[in-house]
Amino acid sequence: KAGVTQTPRYLIKTRGQQVTLSCSPISGHRSVSWYQQTPGQGLQFLFEYFSETQRNKGNFPGRFSGRQFSNSRSEMNVSTLELGDSALYLCASSLERAGRDEQFFGPGTRLTVL
Amino acid sequence: AQSVTQLGSHVSVSEGALVLLRCNYSSSVPPYLFWYVQYPNQGLQLLLKYTSAATLVKGINGFEAEFKKSETSFHLTKPSAHMSDAAEYFCAVSGGSNYKLTFGKGTLLTVNP
Repeated sequence: KAGVTQTPRYLIKTRGQQVTLSCSPISGHRSVSWYQQTPGQGLQFLFEYFSETQRNKGNFPGRFSGRQFSNSRSEMNVSTLELGDSALYLCASSLERAGRDEQFFGPGTRLTVL
Repeated sequence: AQSVTQLGSHVSVSEGALVLLRCNYSSSVPPYLFWYVQYPNQGLQLLLKYTSAATLVKGINGFEAEFKKSETSFHLTKPSAHMSDAAEYFCAVSGGSNYKLTFGKGTLLTVNP
């Protein structure tokens, strides 16, 4: 069974640009969550999607958005990039609910904002 | 709202010694509790999960955790550390009708030969 895949693995952008990250969950998993990981703030929850609907949202500005497609694949978008957005972005999938079921994490996308 | 506190951002042990990583939580409802591990340059992997079935939970790689409601704790232990246990460990809690998951800031475990 293929694991969670994230593309791209590495990304370099400049301030003010926007970026789209992609996540393909494990087959059969309907919940997809996104996290931002930085040395200073640790692992912070961005949002969770289930059946194409955002079910939970973390405390991030509106520049961070996401969506889920009918095949459960998900994308997250960050607009007007800031230096502080440099981080490892992790995607995780679970059968139904991130806070109840085991989550399977992808390797992450390393975003660097210059 | 729930929260998680991991005491000690960095723990160092000798190979063969006891590993004890501390996690305290706050939750207004019976929680789900998790321990995840992140090896260098990898995503997170579930070690174990508490779901109220038993207070002592056994996980992978010889790790276990005990749920203590009176202390609101869910500490992770392993009797004998291995070099391969060197990684970052995250405690997480969820609860309530929306099962929103909150992670602790993580504890980096170093194992010395």
